[in-house]
Amino acid sequence: QVQLQESGPGVVRPSETLSLTCTVSGASISVHYWNWIRQSPEKGLESIGFISYDGSTKYNPSLKSRVTISVDRSKNQLSLRMTSVTAADTAVYYCARGGLVIDDAFDVWGQGTMVTVSS
Amino acid sequence: DIQMTQSPSSLSASLGDSVTINCRASQSISTHLHWYQQSPGKAPRLLIQSVSNLQNGVPSRFSGSGSGTEFTLTISDLQPEDFATYYCQQSYTTPMYSFGQGTRLEI
Repeated sequence: QVQLQESGPGVVRPSETLSLTCTVSGASISVHYWNWIRQSPEKGLESIGFISYDGSTKYNPSLKSRVTISVDRSKNQLSLRMTSVTAADTAVYYCARGGLVIDDAFDVWGQGTMVTVSS
Repeated sequence: DIQMTQSPSSLSASLGDSVTINCRASQSISTHLHWYQQSPGKAPRLLIQSVSNLQNGVPSRFSGSGSGTEFTLTISDLQPEDFATYYCQQSYTTPMYSFGQGTRLEI
């Protein structure tokens, strides 16, 4: 059974950097596409970006300048780093598994982690 | 950017009813359309991939259809666990995987 578990600080100060980790069990991150998605009442569900099985990344153009997605294959984890956060980045952040091809759906999701940007 | 528009935004129904949720894309997305169910406090759950392919474990009362810009999710014989929010999502343009705004199905 594939499981994803997000972790990270619940509160981040404005202008600082948000760092989240997603631990994957039951599957290898060297297979499939792996995604970060966030959800807020204001913007709904929003794709942040993904990292592929070969380590290539693609980001939402609106976030591209502030976001980095990476993997630690030794720990079977993926990470999200978002710089210069503002209140608009307050959301529930999910990691999700994509398919074997780039346009597959997200078939496994983590439970999500709430991040609040506040001083 | 491709905009995904769902209708209605909310829907009231009763146990045993059949309902249809619509999703319109601002441009053709072929069959790159997926449906998710989200219960309160939970992550979205993939129901249907590529318009009409039911995920393993999803009851057959869920079905999807459409192509191009117009898509529908139909739920027949509504059960208590079906009352949730449903989202469509396109994967035609990567990495801009846009979602609809959601349809809340309530009793």
